[in-house]
Amino acid sequence: DTAVSQTPKYLVTQMGNDKSIKCEQNLGHDTMYWYKQDSKKFLKIMFSYNNKELIINETVPNRFSPKSPDKAHLNLHINSLELGDSAVYFCASSQEVRETQYFGPGTRLLVL
Amino acid sequence: GESVGLHLPTLSVQEGDNSIINCAYSNSASDYFIWYKQESGKGPQFIIDIRSNMDKRQGQRVTVLLNKTVKHLSLQIAATQPGDSAVYFCAENFAGGTSYGKLTFGQGTILTVHP
Repeated sequence: DTAVSQTPKYLVTQMGNDKSIKCEQNLGHDTMYWYKQDSKKFLKIMFSYNNKELIINETVPNRFSPKSPDKAHLNLHINSLELGDSAVYFCASSQEVRETQYFGPGTRLLVL
Repeated sequence: GESVGLHLPTLSVQEGDNSIINCAYSNSASDYFIWYKQESGKGPQFIIDIRSNMDKRQGQRVTVLLNKTVKHLSLQIAATQPGDSAVYFCAENFAGGTSYGKLTFGQGTILTVHP
């Protein structure tokens, strides 16, 4: 019973393509997040949703668009993929804002 | 291995030793701090947290110390085991303004435990 799950685990695609990553949490949490981890292991928040409402939107290119159809899901759609988008993307959730965040297993995106 | 090419701080210890991982945080207004463990190919895993009204908090084999004067956080792992080998991240958060709920992660420390 995975608490925070992401699909796909691996994603290899060509530059210019559009792709989506899905995230689901079965913890009953109200807040969900997307993080990007680069090749140097640096983790940086991209977005956060609380009760399906966007509360954090870092300086992320507008090619990245999060969508939260309900509290248990936060998907990430990326348009016109670029080489620099290659990274590991992690979804996380917390009961409320500023509570412990629990991470998913990550999606390894490689743009060729 | 996955760590090749990375230039993170590293700590190598023998099994059974105690480990201390240090972290300097950036924002003097931060009031919530968390340690995460990330094993190869996995997502960060929560270890322990501490709020700014405390100096020390203990968990199972782990202790976090907070020194707000010098903006320093440390994670102590007692009787380190090979399964503790991972990258360890500290993260900070403060409640102010648009940063509400945003975790800022440190660069990570690679812990290697030798049997």
